[in-house]
Amino acid sequence: GQNIDQPTEMTATEGAIVQINCTYQTSGFNGLFWYQQHAGEAPTFLSYNVLDGLEEKGRFSSFLSRSKGYSYLLLKELQMKDSASYLCAVMDSNYQLIWGAGTKLIIKP
Amino acid sequence: GAVVSQHPSRVICKSGTSVKIECRSLDFQATTMFWYRQFPKQSLMLMATSNEGSKATYEQGVEKDKFLINHASLTLSTLTVTSAHPEDSSFYICSAKTGTGDYYEQYFGPGTRLTVT
Repeated sequence: GQNIDQPTEMTATEGAIVQINCTYQTSGFNGLFWYQQHAGEAPTFLSYNVLDGLEEKGRFSSFLSRSKGYSYLLLKELQMKDSASYLCAVMDSNYQLIWGAGTKLIIKP
Repeated sequence: GAVVSQHPSRVICKSGTSVKIECRSLDFQATTMFWYRQFPKQSLMLMATSNEGSKATYEQGVEKDKFLINHASLTLSTLTVTSAHPEDSSFYICSAKTGTGDYYEQYFGPGTRLTVT
């Protein structure tokens, strides 16, 4: 079966750095996405990785290793507004998005 | 950027009634729209995929006669929850993508919170 694993919840301090991991097992691979979802709102797109390596976009970076079925989202200089759930999703061989359950990130002052 | 709207944002209905949720792409033509359901503290669950002018493709376990989807135009898709029951209470989210350009990015609507009493 297809499976996306990510931690349920993480806590970090304002101004610090946090890394959210995602491992996946899917039938085929056409890219991995990270979305941010605030409580009661729809997800918003953060990043897309289809090749191995690190993609940096401001305070957020996303890394992919296809051979390991592994990705992480790195958030730097954490701000209180970064408190949200972070969803990892993989596009399989049928171009269907397979979603992880999300990681709830709690930022403390 | 691409904007997707949903209406209503919140709806409360009585058990046994039907509810219609609209999803509109405001500044682009959406060849494909997706309907998701999300229960508290759970991931997005894809319910169905709809292409303009054709029948929706439902995921396994989703009753197509209960969740009616109509993608009548390139900018509008509707989800009708028929004979709603309390267990249908959930957060329903639509997303849309265009057929060209950044094919891999889905643009999400703001979601509709459905409560069935």
